[in-house]
Amino acid sequence: EIVLTQSPDTLSLSPGEGVTLSCRASQSVSSTYLAWYQQKPGLPPRLLIYGVSIRATGIPDRFSGSGSGTDFTLTISRLEPEDFAVYYCQQYGRSPRTFGQGTKVEMK
Amino acid sequence: QVQLVQSGAEVKKPGASVKVSCKASGYNFAAYGITWVRQAPGQVLEWMGWINPSNDNTHYPQKFQGRVIMTTDTSTTTVYMELRSLRSDDTAVYYCARREGYDFGPEGDYWGQGTLVTVSS
Repeated sequence: EIVLTQSPDTLSLSPGEGVTLSCRASQSVSSTYLAWYQQKPGLPPRLLIYGVSIRATGIPDRFSGSGSGTDFTLTISRLEPEDFAVYYCQQYGRSPRTFGQGTKVEMK
Repeated sequence: QVQLVQSGAEVKKPGASVKVSCKASGYNFAAYGITWVRQAPGQVLEWMGWINPSNDNTHYPQKFQGRVIMTTDTSTTTVYMELRSLRSDDTAVYYCARREGYDFGPEGDYWGQGTLVTVSS
């Protein structure tokens, strides 16, 4: 199975700052089958990005995704207070679909 | 509006089975698949497979083959996920999520609220 490794594990930032999260795959991800989710405590994940760079419905344009092959990134241009959460990447081009271990973005 | 509403928390003994429901509303039930994802306490998300309500085709990863069964009831637009031979490491929150109904379709535009399944003797 494809193992996704996210880095860093935790980021301590202030509102207004920009951030780039990394997701590295153990094998090349087929086509553009890479998604990003946001999760807050006690809630289900929220789809942010699919197809590497397509924002899901209602997702603000401060969120953007890029990458190909084995290296992908999620960028948040300016952190809003509601953006402090855990972010997961997921590949869905090969079964089993797998998730990264998550990056926690916490408020400094 | 699209909603996925899951059944309530369960406590089961090791070796038992659990059946979690996910009632869908607000969209054409047959036009989208349903995926199941679980999350053990403080752990990462784990994909358990999916079902296509239009033809009841299922796909389970090897880890869960023989232990998980996903079914649908189109009359009530409900999807069920049954997990058998429960072990303590099956303790987790189980989520259903809507997905595109074709292979390699993205998933997760809508999620259920989650169902906590606790396996304990």
